[in-house]
Amino acid sequence: EVQLLESGGGLVRPGESLRLSCGASGFIFEAYAMSWVRQAPGKGLEWVSSISSDGFSTIFADSVKGRFTISRSTNTIYLQMNRLRGEDTAVYYCAKEEGSESSHSIHYWGQGTLVTVSS
Amino acid sequence: QSVLTQPPSASGTPGQRVTISCSGSSSNIGSKTVYWHQHVPGTAPKLLIYSNNQRPSGVPDRFSGSKSGTSASLAISGLQSADEAVYYCATWDDSLNGVVFGGGTKLTVL
Repeated sequence: EVQLLESGGGLVRPGESLRLSCGASGFIFEAYAMSWVRQAPGKGLEWVSSISSDGFSTIFADSVKGRFTISRSTNTIYLQMNRLRGEDTAVYYCAKEEGSESSHSIHYWGQGTLVTVSS
Repeated sequence: QSVLTQPPSASGTPGQRVTISCSGSSSNIGSKTVYWHQHVPGTAPKLLIYSNNQRPSGVPDRFSGSKSGTSASLAISGLQSADEAVYYCATWDDSLNGVVFGGGTKLTVL
């Protein structure tokens, strides 16, 4: 059974940094691309970033480009969030894609972790 | 303002059939496959339909997807109270070089 478990969310002040983690199990982690998707309060889903199965290819939404980075290690992906803004407040979901390259082929989702950016 | 346009709400009575639309453009739906996700607030979203009209194992055949040109649709037949959720379409956009979601459609079972 595919399981994705996010952690690292919390309350931070504008301008600060935070690193999210997503532990994965139940599948061959090295074979699949992974993504982060967020949902701001009262809003819909917004794709944030994706990383290929080998970790060499990463892509970002324009709203986070230059501030966020994505990486992966053994059975875990990370989202490093720098220079956080109020509009980054959201539940962040980790997601597993169906192929090795980043695309829109999300097949599994985690439960999410809440990030609140407020002074 | 989402790249993919969905109606904000839909409703139906138990047993009815409802359809949710998703409108895009040639840079997204017109050239890519469409996915549909179901999200009950407070829980993990769930994949309902992939590659326009394919159901993952475990998803009832009451759920079906279709695509024509730059639009896609999700149909739910035999509506049940458990179907109350927000439904999102998603695809890739070549112009934005990223994943795009619709704004979501909140389905209410009356």
